[in-house]
Order: sequence, then C-alpha cells, then structure tokens
Amino acid sequence: DADVTQTPRNRITKTGKRIMLECSQTKGHDRMYWYRQDPGLGLRLIYYSFDVKDINKGEISDGYSVSRQAQAKFSLSLESAIPNQTALYFCATSSPGRDRNTGELFFGEGSRLTVL
Amino acid sequence: LAKITQPISMDSYEGQEVNITCSHNNIATNDYITWYQQFPSQGPRFIIQGYKTKVTNEVASLFIPADRKSSTLSLPRVSLSDTAVYYCLVGDAGSSNTGKLIFGQGTTLQVKP
Repeated sequence: DADVTQTPRNRITKTGKRIMLECSQTKGHDRMYWYRQDPGLGLRLIYYSFDVKDINKGEISDGYSVSRQAQAKFSLSLESAIPNQTALYFCATSSPGRDRNTGELFFGEGSRLTVL
Repeated sequence: LAKITQPISMDSYEGQEVNITCSHNNIATNDYITWYQQFPSQGPRFIIQGYKTKVTNEVASLFIPADRKSSTLSLPRVSLSDTAVYYCLVGDAGSSNTGKLIFGQGTTLQVKP
C-alpha cells in the first residue's frame, strides 16, 4: 500500500461545483503539503500544515481551502471550481531534517482534476 | 518569495555527464536544497539533498557554493531512463515560517541514444 494516498485519482466536474481532494498518510509525518502542477509551470505550493493546529498559505492559495482533520489527513477543497483550476494536484508529507528544518518530501500519486 | 530559476530544457547523449543549475536567491538560512526527478503521471521522487559544499550519493552529486544562491545537480553517465523533469526545491526565506518549500519550474532532460 502507498504511504501517501490521494483520492480521487481522477475527477471531472463542472464550473461552480464544490470539490474535495483527500490525502492520507501512514508515514507518521507532521508536515503535509498540497501542490498544483500545470504544464510549463512546475509545482506550485497551495497550502501547507505543520500539525493539526497549524495551517499556512502557500504561493497560490486563492480559491482553495484546506482542512487538517488529523495528523494523517489533509484535505484540499475548491468551494466553487472554475476551469483554470484544471490541473494535477499532489499531496506530500515530510518530517523536519535531523539538524535542518526541511526533510525529504514524499508524494502521493496525484489527483487529476478537470473543471468544465 | 524566493525567486528560483532553472533552464527549461536540456539535451544530452547516453554516457555523458549532465549538469543542471538552479538559481535561488532569498533562500531560507536553515533549510536544505533538494532535487527531485519526475516521470510523466508520477509524483516527484527524491534524488539528493544538501546544505553546502558537495554531496554525493549513488545516483548524483550536488554542488552548492558558499553563498547558497545556486546549486548544481550533476548526473554522471546518463542513460535513456534518465529522461525526465528535474526540479530543485528550496525553503523560502521570505516566509515567517520555515518549511515553506518552493519548487523551481523544472528542467526537462532529454537523453538521446
């Protein structure tokens, strides 16, 4: 079983609909991230969370919200989806490095969202 | 926000050494510089990580100058299977929180026979 699991893997929806992408992890990491990937733009950070009570905006948080329901679960919501939110979304987890603030990121397999 | 730039694409031939440089001003003082590899329809995969000077593992080397405003990923003797997109990842010094991890736009490496 994957250490970082994203659901759904693929979703097609219509403009204005509410969409939730879910991420769960079995790695026991405190830090979780949501990234969006678009062709030619790489991966852009939407939100990140250091624990259940700590949630931070990333580079492109407008139009998105998140919920950290538990250490192992981090959900991304689009309250009213629009076509330019069509993208591949990745969840990732990490723990702080031994003597630095960043460690390795572990990614899920991605959720492909299409907004018509 | 940290400005991170990488070449958009590079071509190489099998057996050659490939060096990909990433420029990253405003990098967080206490964070690693990390490089990832991504194949189509997969999540990025960790390659190597360093703080300063040189780091080497079984697949790559990473060179980081003293000012840490750039880093160079070196892939020795590439093969066709190294065709992928390569990303650098750094912590953003502009954030009040450490751990705000920002990717470069990625370098598409095409290895030819």
